Amino acid sequence: AQSVTQPDARVTVSEGASLQLRCKYSYSATPYLFWYVQYPRQGLQLLLKYYSGDPVVQGVNSFEAEFSKSNSSFHLQKASVHWSDSAVYFCALSMRGSNAKLTFGKGTKLSVKS
Amino acid sequence: AQTIHQWPVAEIKAVGSPLSLGCTIKGKSSPNLYWYWQATGGTLQQLFYSITVGQVESVVQLNLSASRPKDDQFILSTEKLLLSHSGFYLCAWSPPGANTGQLYFGEGSKLTVL
Repeated sequence: AQSVTQPDARVTVSEGASLQLRCKYSYSATPYLFWYVQYPRQGLQLLLKYYSGDPVVQGVNSFEAEFSKSNSSFHLQKASVHWSDSAVYFCALSMRGSNAKLTFGKGTKLSVKS
Repeated sequence: AQTIHQWPVAEIKAVGSPLSLGCTIKGKSSPNLYWYWQATGGTLQQLFYSITVGQVESVVQLNLSASRPKDDQFILSTEKLLLSHSGFYLCAWSPPGANTGQLYFGEGSKLTVL
């Protein structure tokens, strides 16, 4: 069965610092991969997605992620964080050809100190 | 543009009482529809999905049921609430046809069972 692991439940960084949120997946083939963000008391918004091709994908608000097949990872990065980036970030995968069922990690709560 | 609306925004209910949560999607014909549940501070779990009116597939058994009475409407309900039903319920949609795994989420309904 497929799974997604986000090893860091909480991450705190200072405003202007760089950021990496880690995500590892387990799946026998190459899945579709996503990062979603959830602001307090709101639904999820898509940050970026990977289907195939270039392993580095760009998303909204200057986020990017790099897919590594050898490491089964899809880490999220940002060069310089802003206080408004404080939120919970979910990594998710979907199996190709499925009902679009997303398997989510447990999320990483990001706090940005001003 | 497509919009997704969930109701109610929040509910406080007693154990054993009935529940009905709703979701309406406007601006998209024949969307695939999904219900997700998020325990407080936890990850998201897919409960149901539907690709057409009148057809609903259950993914996880949580003593809940779902129905799709109209093309643009998805209802989640139960006759008797349990304490374990507390959490955040998210409705989502994806375009009909081939599934890429990208979902568009509503703002969610927060349920507190006492």
